[in-house]
Amino acid sequence: EVQLVQSGAEVKKPGESLKISCKGSEYKFTSYWIGWVRQMPGKGLEWMGIIYPGDSDTRYSPSFQGQVTISADKSISTAYLQWSSLKASDTAIYYCARHYGYYESGAPRGYFDYWGQGTLVTVSS
Amino acid sequence: DIQMTQSPSTLSASVGDRVTITCRASQSISSWLAWYQQKPGKAPKLLISKASTLESGVPSRFSGRGSGTEFTLTISSLQPDDFATYYCQQYNSYSPTFGQGTKVEIK
Repeated sequence: EVQLVQSGAEVKKPGESLKISCKGSEYKFTSYWIGWVRQMPGKGLEWMGIIYPGDSDTRYSPSFQGQVTISADKSISTAYLQWSSLKASDTAIYYCARHYGYYESGAPRGYFDYWGQGTLVTVSS
Repeated sequence: DIQMTQSPSTLSASVGDRVTITCRASQSISSWLAWYQQKPGKAPKLLISKASTLESGVPSRFSGRGSGTEFTLTISSLQPDDFATYYCQQYNSYSPTFGQGTKVEIK
């Protein structure tokens, strides 16, 4: 069965950097886009962006472009989400998920069929 | 961005009830809509894709309908395991968006 296993909870101070990870297994990691979703405390789901580990093509939601960096290391089947300077408003649970869908005009469109367990990021002084 | 609006935000129901959640898109998304279920402290789980295609292993009491701008998720006979929050997600655009969620509570 497809598995996505995320790194553990983090507690950071404002201004610090952070990189969280998501390791995929039991499927061909380089053949599916993988994405990140934010859930702020008590709130709904927000689509952040996706990456194709096969060639590192990355697409961001306009809301998150420039705020985070999504990357992947296909040699170890792992995707990453990173911040260079955290803010208190980055406090949230971050989920990785496998993207499944189709292409339209060369762009990926789809939904998330398998999800990681989530990583809680707390940013507080 | 395409805005997705779910109604109601909260729904109180009893075991055995038939419940329907509505999701409206701010513009046509054809049938490019997914539904997820999320329980407290857990990751979302995909229930339905392409508006009406039930995922493998999802009970048949769940069903989805709609196209264009209006969609519904129906649970034909609510079970104790179904009390959760449900989200719709459009994937018609390059920047997919979720609805704000509908919490199904025990009446």
